Amino acid sequence: AQTVTQSQPEMSVQEAETVTLSCTYDTSENNYYLFWYKQPPSRQMILVIRQEAYKQQNATENRFSVNFQKAAKSFSLKISDSQLGDTAMYFCAFMKQDTGRRALTFGSGTRLQVQP
Amino acid sequence: GAGVSQSPSNKVTEKGKDVELRCDPISGHTALYWYRQRLGQGLEFLIYFQGNSAPDKSGLPSDRFSAERTGESVSTLTIQRTQQEDSAVYLCASSLARFNQPQHFGDGTRLSIL
Repeated sequence: AQTVTQSQPEMSVQEAETVTLSCTYDTSENNYYLFWYKQPPSRQMILVIRQEAYKQQNATENRFSVNFQKAAKSFSLKISDSQLGDTAMYFCAFMKQDTGRRALTFGSGTRLQVQP
Repeated sequence: GAGVSQSPSNKVTEKGKDVELRCDPISGHTALYWYRQRLGQGLEFLIYFQGNSAPDKSGLPSDRFSAERTGESVSTLTIQRTQQEDSAVYLCASSLARFNQPQHFGDGTRLSIL
């Protein structure tokens, strides 16, 4: 079974600054996907960024980028130029590259507060 | 286009009652997932439907939980004889068939058991 660990329950950052959220995972799989989802108070889960494990290059999406360290089983999210709208819960998630089992395994989340 | 739609948005019921939660996936999405999110926690997988294949029910916590989906359309999650520990937000997601396609989530149903 896979497990995902987010060791930072809460984080705070000043507007326009950079913040890094940590995520580690445990799996015996070699092929898988990793995701960061954002959940604002509206409850809807919004995909922020995803990474295929077979790709060495770190994924980037505008102000969001990841540091994927496969050997260390680490997948951190960096948010640059933080904005007030980035305030939300952030969840790291894992999915096996398995046509029969597509459920996401989530971490417990990090609550990010962007301060004006 | 329309996203994943869930109803009701909130549901309050008494312990022991049955509840039914509904999910309308994005049109064309053959895969549909149900997750449960307890207060302050991450999401727990409940069940997964893919087209006409047998659903993956491995996440259902007890036989009080069941779900149905007709073809590639609406799904209903039913909880019988509700217990207080069933209080949570129930989130539905849908995706295209290919395994690397992202899951798109609805706003969830907040279920409160008195």
